[in-house]
Amino acid sequence: RKEVEQDPGPFNVPEGATVAFNCTYSNSASQSFFWYRQDCRKEPKLLMSVYSSGNEDGRFTAQLNRASQYISLLIRDSKLSDSATYLCAVNFDQAGTALIFGKGTTLSVSS
Amino acid sequence: AAGVIQSPRHLIKEKRETATLKCYPIPRHDTVYWYQQGPGQDPQFLISFYEKMQSDKGSIPDRFSAQQFSDYHSELNMSSLELGDSALYFCASSPRQEQFFGPGTRLTVL
Repeated sequence: RKEVEQDPGPFNVPEGATVAFNCTYSNSASQSFFWYRQDCRKEPKLLMSVYSSGNEDGRFTAQLNRASQYISLLIRDSKLSDSATYLCAVNFDQAGTALIFGKGTTLSVSS
Repeated sequence: AAGVIQSPRHLIKEKRETATLKCYPIPRHDTVYWYQQGPGQDPQFLISFYEKMQSDKGSIPDRFSAQQFSDYHSELNMSSLELGDSALYFCASSPRQEQFFGPGTRLTVL
């Protein structure tokens, strides 16, 4: 079983839709949580760090549920430019430790 | 804002050749990470350095080695290249927990 699991999708939504992605992690010692966005053949770009209290950045909201060991990403008012692969990642919060990625969820927003 | 710099961006090698990938972290970032991403795969961690010392090791083949230099740049050395080494190689740097990725080196082994 992979340490970090995501529904691969694809999620096909119209512009303006709200879409939510979930990600589960198996190691309860995981301390830091992130959402990255990756466009085809490009580098992962940090979208948001995920904090226990939840955090919001414009149309994006991230939540962490430690008890159930999952994190979520909510995208409101989807734009065509949101089409990408969204990767969740966790690590153990020590300097130099690896990010463990999920396989990513593909989002396609259409007009 | 300055980003992570990687060179070369593209590299084509023959089987059994060697390759050296370079990474220049964001200024004042003391930690460097290397990841390998095959087609359709998520990034897989190879190795990391914190303050020029190896800090974590992942699924890095024995044919690969890496180091971080006094100016914090890092090099990934790959020997006896195999067809399966064809992938995107990303370097990331961080000041603490958040990791910022460079544009990657696309390695093709023929």
